[in-house]
Amino acid sequence: KAGVTQTPRYLIKTRGQQVTLSCSPISGHRSVSWYQQTPGQGLQFLFEYFSETQRNKGNFPGRFSGRQFSNSRSEMNVSTLELGDSALYLCASSMDTSNYGYTFGSGTRLTVV
Amino acid sequence: AQSVTQLGSHVSVSEGALVLLRCNYSSSVPPYLFWYVQYPNQGLQLLLKYTSAATLVKGINGFEAEFKKSETSFHLTKPSAHMSDAAEYFCAVSGNSGYSTLTFGKGTMLLVSP
Repeated sequence: KAGVTQTPRYLIKTRGQQVTLSCSPISGHRSVSWYQQTPGQGLQFLFEYFSETQRNKGNFPGRFSGRQFSNSRSEMNVSTLELGDSALYLCASSMDTSNYGYTFGSGTRLTVV
Repeated sequence: AQSVTQLGSHVSVSEGALVLLRCNYSSSVPPYLFWYVQYPNQGLQLLLKYTSAATLVKGINGFEAEFKKSETSFHLTKPSAHMSDAAEYFCAVSGNSGYSTLTFGKGTMLLVSP
């Protein structure tokens, strides 16, 4: 059974650019959540999608957005990148709710220069 | 609202010694609780979860955790540390609503010395 796949693994972008990260959940999982992980702030929740609808949203500016496709694959987009957006972005999937626990991908390491 | 507090950003033990990582939670509803482990440059791996069944939960790699409602705690233990246990450990809480998300603690780095 394939795990959660995130692409790309590493990314270097320049301030002001935009970036799109991709996540393919475990087959059969309909919920996809995104987290930002930094040394200072730890794991912070960005948003959750379920059946193509955003079900929950964290406290991040509008530059951070996401979407989910009919096959449950998800993308997140960050526009007008800032240095502070440098982080490990983790995608996690679950069957339905967080109560089952999440399965995480290996993450995308974004560096903004 | 729910939150998790992990006591100690770093814990050091010797190989073969008891591992104890502390987690206290705050939740307005009966919680679901989780422990995850993260190795360098990796995602998070689920160690174990409490979902209101048995209060003592056994996980992978010899870890276990006990849910104590009176103390609002969910500490992670392992009788004998191994070098391969060196990693960062995260405690997380979820409310029992179908629309809840996981809220994580700040993490505890476990260092194991020979």
